[in-house]
Amino acid sequence: EVQVVESGGGLVKPGGSLRLSCAASGFTFTNAWMNWVRQAPGKGLEWVGRIKRKIDGGTTDYAAPVKGRFTISRDESKNTLYLEMNSLKTEDTAVYYCTAWATYWGQGTLVTVSS
Amino acid sequence: DVVMTQSPLSLPVTLGQPASISCRSSQSLVHSDGNTYLNWIQQRPGQSPRRLIYKISNRESGVPDRFSGSGSGTDFTLKISRVEAEDVGVYYCMQGTHLFTFGPGTKVDIK
Repeated sequence: EVQVVESGGGLVKPGGSLRLSCAASGFTFTNAWMNWVRQAPGKGLEWVGRIKRKIDGGTTDYAAPVKGRFTISRDESKNTLYLEMNSLKTEDTAVYYCTAWATYWGQGTLVTVSS
Repeated sequence: DVVMTQSPLSLPVTLGQPASISCRSSQSLVHSDGNTYLNWIQQRPGQSPRRLIYKISNRESGVPDRFSGSGSGTDFTLKISRVEAEDVGVYYCMQGTHLFTFGPGTKVDIK
């Protein structure tokens, strides 16, 4: 059974940092191009960024609003994806989803940026 | 950047009747590998997104055959042949040819 489980969300002040994790199982994580997608309260889906699989270079790409502040990484030994978020802004408040190829999705983790 | 637009943004439907959602991209979604990475994503109220259709017209495992996708290049359509109560939610087109971009979503509810 495929499982994608995000964790690490919470309340953080503007300018703060947070690291999200996404634990994957039930599919070959090393083959997956992994993405982060977010959804602000009452809004639509927004792509955050992706990381390719290692054999494709393991490179990352980011959406303009988060470039330079967010970093995506992966640990193949733990089948886990990460999202390091720095210099957080109130507009980063959202549910953050991890997805493999847009096929498998987690339940999301809520990040609230507020003073 | 690729911009995705959808119409309509709100779609009240009668149970058992058909429904159709249009999606347009600002540039061709044909990848250099020959594939067109246009997906349709369903998000039911309070649930995570779920991919229904990939590469324009391929249904994911377990997706009812009342859902169908069509189109090419920059113009795409999702059709529901007979709407059921469980189809209520927001439908997004999403391109995966040039990174990822989502459309604004179409809210489907029952009249």
